[in-house]
Amino acid sequence: QSVLTQPPSVSGAPGQRVTISCTGSSSNIGADYDVHWYQQLPGTAPKLLIYGNNNRPSGVPDRFSGSKSGTSASLAITGLQAEDEADYYCQSYDSSLSGSVFGGGTKLTVL
Amino acid sequence: QVQLQESGPGLVKPSQTLSLTCSVSGGSISSGDYYWSWIRQPPGKGLEWIGYIYNSGNSYYNPSLKSRLTISIDTSKNQFSLKLSSVTAADTAVYYCARGVCSSNACSIPEFDSWGQGTLVTVSS
Repeated sequence: QSVLTQPPSVSGAPGQRVTISCTGSSSNIGADYDVHWYQQLPGTAPKLLIYGNNNRPSGVPDRFSGSKSGTSASLAITGLQAEDEADYYCQSYDSSLSGSVFGGGTKLTVL
Repeated sequence: QVQLQESGPGLVKPSQTLSLTCSVSGGSISSGDYYWSWIRQPPGKGLEWIGYIYNSGNSYYNPSLKSRLTISIDTSKNQFSLKLSSVTAADTAVYYCARGVCSSNACSIPEFDSWGQGTLVTVSS
């Protein structure tokens, strides 16, 4: 059970917009620690998607965006494509646990 | 473009020590402000941060693993290593090495911008 809670699964049709939430508490996201997001395609290593809450590394399409408010963060994907089907993880820091923490992951299915 | 590659035994017996090495190419492990990291993923489950070591040699461990864990760095070989002692079946996972970096100005926690391909370690007799 992670201290960062993500929905186990989300789905959407091609072209649609989906959001993935990452809910924390006052000892992690609510304490103003950064949130990062990763995409893990089947059978591969995770790939950095969003860093510092809302920044995209070079090469990541602008269809991906991140936001943070209070004790939660969100990843939004617009113009959904079949290639976006993957697992997505949020990451932050937890002061109670004194370390980096990941959310439990969300499986995105493109219908 | 930095590249990371894990190496080590794929099978470890219970109670023994799991040892993995991450070889870094495309850049010096001792240059820049990087957190050389280990992350694991049990089969079918999510990611778990294990720990990281900074260029200075300072290391930061997941408190739940700290008593069994050592992460070290060998700048002469451009490698860093993981040793996890007294392993059990619960330590069976794909182990990833990764590079942590603080890219934003007010960085509070490094993000992992480069990853190895991962190596499966099974703990079984």
